[in-house]
Amino acid sequence: SYELTQPPSVSVSPGQTARITCSGAALPTKYAYWFQQKSGQAPVLVIYEDNKRPTKIPERYSGSSSGTMATLTISGAQVEDEADYYCYSRDDTPIQVFGRGTKLTVL
Amino acid sequence: QAQLVQSGSELKKPGASVKISCKASGYNFTMYSLNWVRQAPGQGLEWMGWINTNTGNPAYDQAFTGRFVFSLDTSVSTTYLQISDLRAEDTAVYYCTRDPESGSPPPWGQGTLVTVSS
Repeated sequence: SYELTQPPSVSVSPGQTARITCSGAALPTKYAYWFQQKSGQAPVLVIYEDNKRPTKIPERYSGSSSGTMATLTISGAQVEDEADYYCYSRDDTPIQVFGRGTKLTVL
Repeated sequence: QAQLVQSGSELKKPGASVKISCKASGYNFTMYSLNWVRQAPGQGLEWMGWINTNTGNPAYDQAFTGRFVFSLDTSVSTTYLQISDLRAEDTAVYYCTRDPESGSPPPWGQGTLVTVSS
């Protein structure tokens, strides 16, 4: 079955750039989506179609994709960016999949 | 603006069934497939499967075959998730999501908490 691989955790200091990767065999031809989930809250879409940002998401959030890897970048990470981040995509069938999530710590 | 609104929280006993709904608005209901996603307490997001809103045909991830059924009522632009023979491990928040329209963020429902407890 198709899998997306994320690092379990990423840690940065406030103001630094946080990068969270997502690896998947179909990513060269399929879009990646990124969700932020803070403790006790519903997931929030922060990046769609590899690099598009919904209107209410701060500009410090960006996405990119190259080959089999998609990357979520948070430039100048802030304490309020601490959350779990999930990537989401699909393979060449209708099957869709989430990565296992990356816990971002900003301190 | 596309929107998905789900039914409210449910508390059920083991062995019972539950049917939760997801009502779509703001777009042509039959143009996009709908998906269901589960998140158990403290766990990650799991894609459960999808339903073709044009044909009504469902497809399930292998982890969600047997007790999980997706259905539609196109007259009210609503999809349903029914879970039978509920178990404690079915306790989770269930989200409906819509396949994306190119260039737009895909809409999600607000989630429905299903709690299975005796």
